[in-house]
Amino acid sequence: GAVVSQHPSRVICKSGTSVKIECRSLDFQATTMFWYRQFPKQSLMLMATSNEGSKATYEQGVEKDKFLINHASLTLSTLTVTSAHPEDSSFYICSAGGTSGRGEQFFGPGTRLTVL
Amino acid sequence: AQKITQTQPGMFVQEKEAVTLDCTYDTSDPSYGLFWYKQPSSGEMIFLIYQGSYDQQNATEGRYSLNFQKARKSANLVISASQLGDSAMYFCAMREGNNAGNMLTFGGGTRLMVKP
Repeated sequence: GAVVSQHPSRVICKSGTSVKIECRSLDFQATTMFWYRQFPKQSLMLMATSNEGSKATYEQGVEKDKFLINHASLTLSTLTVTSAHPEDSSFYICSAGGTSGRGEQFFGPGTRLTVL
Repeated sequence: AQKITQTQPGMFVQEKEAVTLDCTYDTSDPSYGLFWYKQPSSGEMIFLIYQGSYDQQNATEGRYSLNFQKARKSANLVISASQLGDSAMYFCAMREGNNAGNMLTFGGGTRLMVKP
């Protein structure tokens, strides 16, 4: 399967600071990447769909100005959590669409964000 | 209404036995894809198996098989000869439409615990 990397794997930051998370497709080009948030013992919640060269499409209830997404190239999408607060602490995981035509998504290893 | 329903929050299975994880879905789109993912405690999402709505045969991938009952809108995952390493969260997901770039909707997940 395709390989997707995500950095950093863990980050601890102070309230009010911004955190950038990178998602890279290592061995394929991804015109579409997805960003999810997962709370403990819960399922993945789609935050936004990131399209290369255009603005991201955000899900209802997700603040665009707080969760900035940039998909600058076919292999890189970034999520920036601006002015982070403790309630933003969560597991953030990205995925990239596979190239088989079936629509499976290959996931990065995730980033655990803790805001103090 | 929930688009993907996994009714078993937790399941136990004895090592070397088979186990079925339930998944029902709801869509009016004639073209869709169904996926199963495994999430171990490390957090990564591992793609296991795919079933297309027009596929005539049930999908199989090694010890994984998908019991696809289209009329009942169910797509249960069968794991044969369970191993201790199979202990993890399992998520069923659906892609509606035939665009491989469409989003996936995830079920709530089932925690599988394999007993030695």
